[in-house]
Formats: sequence, C-alpha cells, structure tokens
Amino acid sequence: DGGITQSPKYLFRKEGQNVTLSCEQNLNHDAMYWYRQDPGQGLRLIYYSQIVNDFQKGDIAEGYSVSREKKESFPLTVTSAQKNPTAFYLCASSIVSGLAGGETQYFGPGTRLLVL
Amino acid sequence: AQSVAQPEDQVNVAEGNPLTVKCTYSVSGNPYLFWYVQYPNRGLQFLLKYITGDNLVKGSYGFEAEFNKSQTSFHLKKPSALVSDSALYFCAVRDPWNSGNTPLVFGKGTRLSVIA
Repeated sequence: DGGITQSPKYLFRKEGQNVTLSCEQNLNHDAMYWYRQDPGQGLRLIYYSQIVNDFQKGDIAEGYSVSREKKESFPLTVTSAQKNPTAFYLCASSIVSGLAGGETQYFGPGTRLLVL
Repeated sequence: AQSVAQPEDQVNVAEGNPLTVKCTYSVSGNPYLFWYVQYPNRGLQFLLKYITGDNLVKGSYGFEAEFNKSQTSFHLKKPSALVSDSALYFCAVRDPWNSGNTPLVFGKGTRLSVIA
C-alpha cells in the first residue's frame, strides 16, 4: 500500500447523507484516481485527476464528486444522489513521466462504505 | 476502446503445481499490460508489467507473465504455487495511443485458490 493512505477504513452512511472519503499520498505523484469495487465486477473508474485543480469523470461518476486542491490529496464525496453506494472504494496514484502510459498505478488500502 | 478480459472467475490449483491465470486484451495499438494481486480487504498490489521488449516479464513473488501479440494475451504464471498465493488477481491495460497518464482499465478479476 506504500505511501497512500485512505481513511476511514469503514464508513457508514445514513439515508440522504453525503459522506467524504479521504485519500492522501506522499509519493509526489501527479495523477490520482478513484475506483469502486463490487463483487464480480472488478474495478470501475469514478474520477481521476492528472494535475492539481483539474479532474475528469470516469465511467461511473454519477452521484460522486471530487476536488484536487493539493497535489497530495484527492477526496471523494459520495452524495445522496448515489442510490447504491455500498462498495469498496480504492484510491490510486501514479507519476507522469516520459513513458507515456507505462506508469504504474499504486493503490491505497481502501475504504469500505456501508449504508445504514 | 481498450478492454481486458479474464475468462475464468475461479482457478483452483494444488500446492506445488504450476499455475496460470488468463488474460486477453483489446486495444488499438501495442498495449501496456499490468497484473495486480489483492488480498481480502486490502488494496491492490502491483506484480508486474509489460511495456516493450522481452515478451516474458518477471515480477514479484516468483510470478511471470508472457505477452503474446498474435493471441492478444498476457497470462500470469508461476512454476510452483503456494497456499499464500491464494488471492484475487487483476489484469489491466492502458492503450499507449491515449495521451497523458490515463487510468488503467481492469478486468473483473480471477480468484486463485491454492489447495494444500
């Protein structure tokens, strides 16, 4: 899991509540990513950011929001619009280099979100 | 669009026997290919990647993978399986024609069980 921390490890959401998942990295990586993992569905991309103050939607961005105000931080908010938020959420980061696509993504330990 | 398929949801192998976890890909050019492993309630750990050069790539924990362009495959292998290899394995691809540091696209995962 290296220098990527995610908190909390478990998070409980009540009906209609927004919750924020934290992701911090001390690897000096430029790019950061959020994936959602559901059993049997692999990892699906929610949002990613290649540089501070910029981010792009992934395949399942509806009901989620992000910010990238600092290079080391990429928090994910699960809004009340996300009707099925129960899942394991994984944050990742990578450098941007001359490999132009060969960079490895490194993952944090994950946050499990449960709905009360 | 780039994609990756892991045709087996589950692979069972006896300890000491060779193991293979299959992966096929679809991209517009020569791909960048990755393998990750996930233990229960943990993040993904990087095992190995193919960028260019030798088709046989060696990685962590005695794993290796062979890039086969004609069969569009990148199967993960290990000569002698250990019980501790039991985990969920993910194959991932990035299309090098995409600019910048775009996110990896993951397969749905293959659960490996090594039986003592």
